[in-house]
Amino acid sequence: GENVEQHPSTLSVQEGDSAVIKCTYSDSASNYFPWYKQELGKRPQLIIDIRSNVGEKKDQRIAVTLNKTAKHFSLHITETQPEDSAVYFCAASKQNFNKFYFGSGTKLNVKP
Amino acid sequence: GAGVSQSPRYKVAKRGQDVALRCDPISGHVSLFWYQQALGQGPEFLTYFQNEAQLDKSGLPSDRFFAERPEGSVSTLKIQRTQQEDSAVYLCASSRELGSPLHFGNGTRLTVT
Repeated sequence: GENVEQHPSTLSVQEGDSAVIKCTYSDSASNYFPWYKQELGKRPQLIIDIRSNVGEKKDQRIAVTLNKTAKHFSLHITETQPEDSAVYFCAASKQNFNKFYFGSGTKLNVKP
Repeated sequence: GAGVSQSPRYKVAKRGQDVALRCDPISGHVSLFWYQQALGQGPEFLTYFQNEAQLDKSGLPSDRFFAERPEGSVSTLKIQRTQQEDSAVYLCASSRELGSPLHFGNGTRLTVT
């Protein structure tokens, strides 16, 4: 099956700095890669996703890049704000989309 | 509804008890998923329904775990003879169709004592 690894497990940045979270996957058949934000005690919420036919996608301060050859994808958050503090999960899924494999999460702390 | 609803929010069970966790997906969502999230870990797949059909249950950890969605909307995850290792947050998610983003519920935190 698919194996998704996520790094770092914790990340602390100063408000206004950028944050980068990286994930690798093992199954070259995976072609859909969503990112979820989970605040303490709350549900994971989709913040951005990318499909394997594109290399980069942006949405305001958030961007995701995908390198299919190397089988890794990254989340970039620019101009971080304290409300960005949360646990972020990457995930990978194959064509049939009935099973998502999640990374172990990155706890992001944005210091004001 | 406005989102995926799960109940109860918290459940404490004594080892050996049976529990039932409920998920109300977003109205009209065809696909429904159950995930288990251990403390400090990412969600792990348990099972998947398309309408009332359980198409994949490969993630269920043992035959003590059973899920159903008899009318293609509300789903119940049942755990029989609970064990301490069953303690986790159980997340339900739904999507409009295969290939659409997942919408998660707030989860049920199960603690087995």
